[in-house]
Amino acid sequence: DTGVSQNPRHKITKRGQNVTFRCDPISEHNRLYWYRQTLGQGPEFLTYFQNEAQLEKSRLLSDRFSAERPKGSFSTLEIQRTEQGDSAMYLCASSYSTRRGNTIYFGEGSWLTVV
Amino acid sequence: AQSVTQLDSQVPVFEEAPVELRCNYSSSVSVYLFWYVQYPNQGLQLLLKYLSGSTLVKGINGFEAEFNKSQTSFHLRKPSVHISDTAEYFCAVSDHSNDMRFGAGTRLTVKP
Repeated sequence: DTGVSQNPRHKITKRGQNVTFRCDPISEHNRLYWYRQTLGQGPEFLTYFQNEAQLEKSRLLSDRFSAERPKGSFSTLEIQRTEQGDSAMYLCASSYSTRRGNTIYFGEGSWLTVV
Repeated sequence: AQSVTQLDSQVPVFEEAPVELRCNYSSSVSVYLFWYVQYPNQGLQLLLKYLSGSTLVKGINGFEAEFNKSQTSFHLRKPSVHISDTAEYFCAVSDHSNDMRFGAGTRLTVKP
């Protein structure tokens, strides 16, 4: 079990550029989540997948954000035309759904700085 | 809708002293409760969770938490803290859906 892996860990980009983050979940987990965390705040839910299906999106996920999980394994989060307000840590997490609730395991996050 | 309130944004404490980090939640349905710890520039690590059964839950690193349904609380405690416990602690709640809500966090600073 290698845990949830995210890359790149840090990304500095100019405003207006596109960025993509990748997440590799724990191998047997069927659910994958994306969260955003800004300084001094808890993580905010963005979206989640069950296998390859994107089942829920937060209103925080504007049209500039898109997430995919094409084969139900790894996922990508793309931000188009980045803005300074997009600067945050993007956390990926995964879980195996059970009736007794999900325990969500987080990756170490991908820091985005938009300059 | 469910929500979490962490009552203290910062908790300074001396090494080897006991600590309690407070968490209150609101939800209209049965909930599952979690505490996560986040060290600088890292992701969140699960400390402990309450799904059902005994209301006293023991986690890693000597932490424990008690689920109190009548007070809608899930406070985190440790009888004797170490310098290495300095971190940000997040309380989280989820119901049978997939919407896990986090509190704003409590910064625990352990001083020598």
